[in-house]
Formats: sequence, structure tokens, C-alpha cells
Amino acid sequence: SYELTQPPSVSVSPGQTARITCSADALPKQYAYWYQQKPGQAPVLVIYKDSERPSGIPERFSGSSSGTTVTLTISGVQAEDEADYYCQSADSSGTVVFGGGTKLTVL
Amino acid sequence: QVQLQESGPGLVKPSETLSLTCTVSGYSISSGYYWGWIRQPPGKGLEWIGSIYHSGSTYYNPSLKSRVTISVDTSKNQFSLKLSSVTAADTAVYYCARGTSGWSGRYYYYYMDVWGKGTTVTVSS
Repeated sequence: SYELTQPPSVSVSPGQTARITCSADALPKQYAYWYQQKPGQAPVLVIYKDSERPSGIPERFSGSSSGTTVTLTISGVQAEDEADYYCQSADSSGTVVFGGGTKLTVL
Repeated sequence: QVQLQESGPGLVKPSETLSLTCTVSGYSISSGYYWGWIRQPPGKGLEWIGSIYHSGSTYYNPSLKSRVTISVDTSKNQFSLKLSSVTAADTAVYYCARGTSGWSGRYYYYYMDVWGKGTTVTVSS
């Protein structure tokens, strides 16, 4: 199996751009997905297939992929974006893996 | 609108079997999609437990495979989780979720687009 590596924390001031990375050797061959989880709530899908945004997710959320790293970018961060963010991937055997999570703090 | 709701005992004794059910509303399980379980220990990250296709094919986390059974009851529009021989390490919030899967060119995809609110299970005597 493989692991998805995320930084434990990222801090940003309101209005700035937050970038959260997720790395694994498997990522060039697999899609990545991103979930936002606020305290006491279930995760919410914010990016799928590396860069697609589900309906209802604000345009300030975007995703990109380059080699073994995928990145979740939040442009013009708002206080309501403070949350834990998890990356996820899956291989063709059906095994699903989550990253360890990144706590986004809006200063 | 698809909704998922977890149910089951909030307290399980060590060495016993944890049993949870997820009831799906707004969509017929037999029509498609994967249906899965994810857990989150207190203060920790998400851990995928396993998934089941509407036809009954199952996929489990290798680290839990020996203790996990996921099944589906299309007549009740529910799917269930059984985790045997539990210990305190199995204490967590357990979520059920709908999985979307397929192939896009050469790439396989699987992600969870609808989640239940979660249910807390504590393992303690």
C-alpha cells in the first residue's frame, strides 16, 4: 500500500491564498480528492478527480496536480474556511487511502 | 436529495462485535453506486474501513480485513458494518458514505460524495 503525506497545519490571513499539499509516489497514476471537515461535522467533498469542483462548492476552491504532489488552493480565504482538510486517493483494487489531514487556521 | 443515517449501539464491550446500520433515503441502493464506512478516532484523522457495491462485491481496508464484514439489504435500502473482536482502539465516530467509482481513460476513480452525520461508538467495559 502507500501513504498520502500532508502538512499538519497551514496558517493564512483572511483574503490571502492557502495552499495545502498532498504527496505520494502513487499520485501520478491515481486521482486525488479533497474533503473539508469542520469541528463536529461530517467531511464534505470539495475537489474530485484532482481539479473538479462539485456543485455548490465556491469557486475559490481549486485543485491541481504535478508529479507526485497534488495541491488544494483556496483563494481569498475566508474565516469560514477554517477547518481540517483531507486528501484521499484510491487504486484500481478498490483500496481507499486518506492523508493524515491538515488543519487550516485563518489568522 | 440523497441522505444517509447511521444507527447502532453507542457502547460496545471489548472483544465483542460492533454492528452499525446505514439507512439510505432519496435513492435506491440497488440502482448503483458503492456504499462505504469510514471512521475517525477522537482527535485523529479519517480511516477508510471498506465499501460494498450494490451487487454485493466488497472491498476492505487490508489492516482491518480480518475483522470486517460489510453487507447490503436492498429490501430495506440499508447497508451494514460488523467489526469483530473490538478493543479500545476501535473507539471512533463511524461514518457511512456513498462512493462514486469508475474509469476515466486510464485512471480509476473513487470518491465519497454523500456522507452521513456520523455516530459515536465507544468500546469500554
